[in-house]
Amino acid sequence: SQQGEEDPQALSIQEGENATMNCSYKTSINNLQWYRQNSGRGLVHLILIRSNEREKHSGRLRVTLDTSKKSSSLLITASRAADTASYFCATPFLGGGSNYKLTFGKGTLLTVNP
Amino acid sequence: SAVISQKPSRDICQRGTSLTIQCQVDSQVTMMFWYRQQPGQSLTLIATANQGSEATYESGFVIDKFPISRPNLTFSTLTVSNMSPEDSSIYLCSVVVGLAPGRDIQYFGAGTRLSVL
Repeated sequence: SQQGEEDPQALSIQEGENATMNCSYKTSINNLQWYRQNSGRGLVHLILIRSNEREKHSGRLRVTLDTSKKSSSLLITASRAADTASYFCATPFLGGGSNYKLTFGKGTLLTVNP
Repeated sequence: SAVISQKPSRDICQRGTSLTIQCQVDSQVTMMFWYRQQPGQSLTLIATANQGSEATYESGFVIDKFPISRPNLTFSTLTVSNMSPEDSSIYLCSVVVGLAPGRDIQYFGAGTRLSVL
């Protein structure tokens, strides 16, 4: 079953604006990852935040993690048309067995208008 | 990082036939996985491809329907058997390069877009 749930399901903004996407999950985790998928193609890893981290930056991306609320957010600053994609959060699989098997949320479809 | 070549990139198949998807990595990797993404949906893990042994399947997926091979540390195949229109999806392989922090992220192939008529 899916562990992560993104919010909103779809987001449309103008170029230059910031985009914020949220992810909630159900059980304890040791890390949370964000991926981008362009138009039904493969996924690209964006950033991994570990459970002992509260915030992480990578270029125009800022990820926060609140383990007490079981939630994470992804902020993309100064968005560009090329940021148009679906964004997924992923957490280690429920049921254990491996920290490397991932369960994905439903994703947020971000559209950045020129 | 890892560069993953997945073939074919897309295919249109007839009901009742089978399709084998290949995943080739440019370096030896620790773990390989196969995911399915149904139209407009998120990704669901099918199985972990184990090198030299039978794959480990997740709930709802069985070997007879999705046989998987992994003969070495750089290559795996997924077969979608006896296909029906419900199998129309994007199938993606992913790899974990290493287990140390910083190396334990997953890299994905570009996916195989399968349509079953």
